[in-house]
Amino acid sequence: GENVEQHPSTLSVQEGDSAVIKCTYSDSASNYFPWYKQELGKGPQLIIDIRSNVGEKKDQRIAVTLNKTAKHFSLHITETQPEDSAVYFCAAGGGSEKLVFGKGTKLTVNP
Amino acid sequence: NAGVMQNPRHLVRRRGQEARLRCSPMKGHSHVYWYRQLPEEGLKFMVYLQKENIIDESGMPKERFSAEFPKEGPSILRIQQVVRGDSAAYFCASSSGQGSSNQPQHFGDGTRLSIL
Repeated sequence: GENVEQHPSTLSVQEGDSAVIKCTYSDSASNYFPWYKQELGKGPQLIIDIRSNVGEKKDQRIAVTLNKTAKHFSLHITETQPEDSAVYFCAAGGGSEKLVFGKGTKLTVNP
Repeated sequence: NAGVMQNPRHLVRRRGQEARLRCSPMKGHSHVYWYRQLPEEGLKFMVYLQKENIIDESGMPKERFSAEFPKEGPSILRIQQVVRGDSAAYFCASSSGQGSSNQPQHFGDGTRLSIL
């Protein structure tokens, strides 16, 4: 079955810097890659997603890139703010509809 | 609130009791998914349902766990004879099921289940 690896597990940046989180997946049939932000005591919130027919997608300060050949995808957050502090999860989905999640990255943005 | 609604938010049970977790999908959504999250871990898929049908239950333990999504009312995840290892956060997500596969899944705030 699908396996998703996520790195780093923790990331600390200064306010205004960029943050990059990377994920790799194993199943070449996966074609949908969402990213979620989870704050303490809350459910995961979808922040951006990308499908396999697209190499890059951007939404304001957030961008995601996908390399199908290498089976990896990355989340880029620019101009980080303290409110970006949270746990971020990548996931991979195929035709079965279920999502396979990475183990998460705890991002801390220091003022 | 048009989001995914889960209740209760917190549930405490003693070993051997039953736990019933409820999920109302977003308005207009007909697909429901249940995931389990252990501390410091990602979410693990349990079951995918559409109205009155279980589509994929490959992630759900064969014993003690069951799920339903009736024609009327919320989806229910039921855990019988709970054990300490069932302690976790259980999240429900919903999607519209319209158009292509893998429509975005939107999550509720979960039920934190604690077993004494």
